[in-house]
Amino acid sequence: EAQVTQNPRYLITVTGKKLTVTCSQNMNHEYMSWYRQDPGLGLRQIYYSMNVEVTDKGDVPEGYKVSRKEKRNFPLILESPSPNQTSLYFCASSAQGGRVNEQFFGPGTRLTVL
Amino acid sequence: LAKTTQPISMDSYEGQEVNITCSHNNIATNDYITWYQQFPSQGPRFIIQGYKTKVTNEVASLFIPADRKSSTLSLPRVSLSDTAVYYCLVGDKRGADGLTFGKGTHLIIQP
Repeated sequence: EAQVTQNPRYLITVTGKKLTVTCSQNMNHEYMSWYRQDPGLGLRQIYYSMNVEVTDKGDVPEGYKVSRKEKRNFPLILESPSPNQTSLYFCASSAQGGRVNEQFFGPGTRLTVL
Repeated sequence: LAKTTQPISMDSYEGQEVNITCSHNNIATNDYITWYQQFPSQGPRFIIQGYKTKVTNEVASLFIPADRKSSTLSLPRVSLSDTAVYYCLVGDKRGADGLTFGKGTHLIIQP
């Protein structure tokens, strides 16, 4: 089954404790992206990757890091999480970049930073 | 990036046809119009995409007038399970950036 998976689905952590949210897709997509969704603010892009070893900042990259060492994986790293990073995070992939190409979203990771 | 404007919320009843209109006055020549659906705590799901006139798939229809300054997503015979947030996006298929979702339209279907 074609899908985007994220782990963990839920995470409660404390300020400053490094964490990684994994994202994997099995559709051989070149383009992958991370978004966060907050009430009243819609879905905002954090980072995206056009292909292996190619990453770029989205609208809200501060406090996040990403890497793209393999085509299927695109982990999101929070080196020193803070409470304002409490949010619902989505990973997505698509066959190619471009603003309106169909993106497939993962199930989401709900992160709480205390 | 073409700005889009949608109603914040809409109500309808089971079995009705629902039309959600999106305004995009500054749409560019190369821009496409795409709609996504999102259920609570789930990732958005692609519904339909079009460039001009009418597009129909098994889920919805998309009507785009000749001037392309607006578009209408039509959901036939809605059910309770169609209660969701619907997002209209406009943009070029080329380029490296991703999607910027606005607040969407919260559609509530009642029995």
